[in-house]
Amino acid sequence: AQKITQTQPGMFVQEKEAVTLDCTYDTSDQSYGLFWYKQPSSGEMIFLIYQGSYDEQNATEGRYSLNFQKARKSANLVISASQLGDSAMYFCAMREGGTYKYIFGTGTRLKVLA
Amino acid sequence: NAGVTQTPKFQVLKTGQSMTLQCAQDMNHNSMYWYRQDPGMGLRLIYYSASEGTTDKGEVPNGYNVSRLNKREFSLRLESAAPSQTSVYFCASIQGNGYTFGSGTRLTVV
Repeated sequence: AQKITQTQPGMFVQEKEAVTLDCTYDTSDQSYGLFWYKQPSSGEMIFLIYQGSYDEQNATEGRYSLNFQKARKSANLVISASQLGDSAMYFCAMREGGTYKYIFGTGTRLKVLA
Repeated sequence: NAGVTQTPKFQVLKTGQSMTLQCAQDMNHNSMYWYRQDPGMGLRLIYYSASEGTTDKGEVPNGYNVSRLNKREFSLRLESAAPSQTSVYFCASIQGNGYTFGSGTRLTVV
């Protein structure tokens, strides 16, 4: 069965520094998609970045990049130049190819310090 | 504004009461989902609808029913609410990559 694991319940980072949020996954499929979402204290879920299993390049969206290591089954989110507004809960998620079901990790709460 | 609209935003129910959470999207997406979010457990899929006229169980369907009324609307019903259903409920839709989520419904069952 597919599974997403986020082992860091909480992280702190100094403003303007980079931070890596860990995500490992388990699937037997060859085709799948990996996602990161941000949930600020207001509660809404915000889509950040997507990586397809066949994509050779790591995905980037502004200050967000996804460090995709397929052999290790990891999809870590890197946030560069952290800002106070980055303080939030971050969820890693996976979609198996050919299905409409997505599963989420338990999340990492990031706190950016001034 | 385009997106996913959920109602209500907050609800308190007594054990045994029933209610329906409403969800509508105006992006012409085929697939819609209901998740619940509990502390330390991330988001867990309750039911989903891959397309109009179809619904399927997710990871935690017990105690819930759904209706895909048309392409826009996907409702979640609690027939007899239990305290274990106290949670934040999110509706989402997708076409391609990346969900669009509603703003959530915070439900408390006492």
